[in-house]
Amino acid sequence: SQQGEEDPQALSIQEGENATMNCSYKTSINNLQWYRQNSGRGLVHLILIRSNEREKHSGRLRVTLDTSKKSSSLLITASRAADTASYFCAANTNAGKSTFGDGTTLTVKP
Amino acid sequence: DTEVTQTPKHLVMGMTNKKSLKCEQHMGHRAMYWYKQKAKKPPELMFVYSYEKLSINESVPSRFSPECPNSSLLNLHLHALQPEDSALYLCASSPLARLNNGELFFGEGSRLTVL
Repeated sequence: SQQGEEDPQALSIQEGENATMNCSYKTSINNLQWYRQNSGRGLVHLILIRSNEREKHSGRLRVTLDTSKKSSSLLITASRAADTASYFCAANTNAGKSTFGDGTTLTVKP
Repeated sequence: DTEVTQTPKHLVMGMTNKKSLKCEQHMGHRAMYWYKQKAKKPPELMFVYSYEKLSINESVPSRFSPECPNSSLLNLHLHALQPEDSALYLCASSPLARLNNGELFFGEGSRLTVL
């Protein structure tokens, strides 16, 4: 089964609004990463949060991690049309494997 | 622009063909990966090379044969593929020797169509 599962599967918002995506995972992790993928392109690393961290910021991105609930969230503030993409979480275990969640497709309308 | 270069960008092949996908990085990364991604699905790990040695094979069928000639190059040899193997094949590299503990740098992928 998927290590990372995300919701919502699809999210449509207006430019300027905030977007929140959630990710859940099943086993213990070393870290959790978020990636962005534009249609038909490669993935771009956004942010990594380690298992002993609870929150991390990078520009307009805010990631939280709750290891007790085995969940993480990605918040994009003040969204832009250029943020339209698919967003994947990747749960990274101590065994050295990263397993990607199903992804959230974000559409930001101008 | 990504620093992981994949060629070709698109490949169409028949089920009896032999072809190869190539990946190159010059960032000094010592871990390299092949992922397969079907439409509207997440990437699925196929192979991991660490210090040019195969360290993870996710039970991939033998019609996919990886090769790591040196620390900068990663190939995926394809033979007798099936139409269901059509997908986007993504190469990635990582700067850390400890597998998958760091950021993955992805190429733009090779879109494979098997007829």
